[in-house]
Amino acid sequence: ELKVEQNPLFLSMQEGKNYTIYCNYSTTSDRLYWYRQDPGKSLESLFVLLSNGAVKQEGRLMASLDTKARLSTLHITAAVHDLSATYFCAVGYGGSQGNLIFGKGTKLSVKP
Amino acid sequence: DGGITQSPKYLFRKEGQNVTLSCEQNLNHDAMYWYRQDPGQGLRLIYYSQIVNDFQKGDIAEGYSVSREKKESFPLTVTSAQKNPTAFYLCASSTLAGGPGEQFFGPGTRLTVL
Repeated sequence: ELKVEQNPLFLSMQEGKNYTIYCNYSTTSDRLYWYRQDPGKSLESLFVLLSNGAVKQEGRLMASLDTKARLSTLHITAAVHDLSATYFCAVGYGGSQGNLIFGKGTKLSVKP
Repeated sequence: DGGITQSPKYLFRKEGQNVTLSCEQNLNHDAMYWYRQDPGQGLRLIYYSQIVNDFQKGDIAEGYSVSREKKESFPLTVTSAQKNPTAFYLCASSTLAGGPGEQFFGPGTRLTVL
């Protein structure tokens, strides 16, 4: 059974600081996704990682994937208040079915 | 504009009632999914469908039913058998051609049992 663990689950940061969110998963997968959710809203796709060593960056966020370690990271550089949200990683399973298992999410709060 | 729509945005259900949540997509996606999100939790898969007139149970299908009569539509019925239906329900869709694509989400329906 595929399990996805994120840590930390809660993260309070000061503006300008750097931090990393970790996503570990238990069985082999070739697809990993990062999503952002604002309070009361739906999920917004951030990154799609499809191969070992994949690295993608958008603004102050950078995501990477190590399929051998079954680990993805979401690195936040010089955090700003607008990044406050809950971040989910989701791991693909089921081959062509396209199903995902989600982590519990990391609630990020960036304070001035 | 291409996208996924869900209605209603808020829904209130009395004990013993069945209610149906709508999900429509105009992205020409093959696959559609229904998830449930409880406060402070991740998403859990209720049902999914890869093709018209076919669907499969996800991890928490008990008390729910779906249909897929058209490619664009995947309604979810929350039956009276679902004992704790208060949650945020999200519909998603994705392509499958050439390998499964990322899932795009609708705006969600917040269901409350009175």
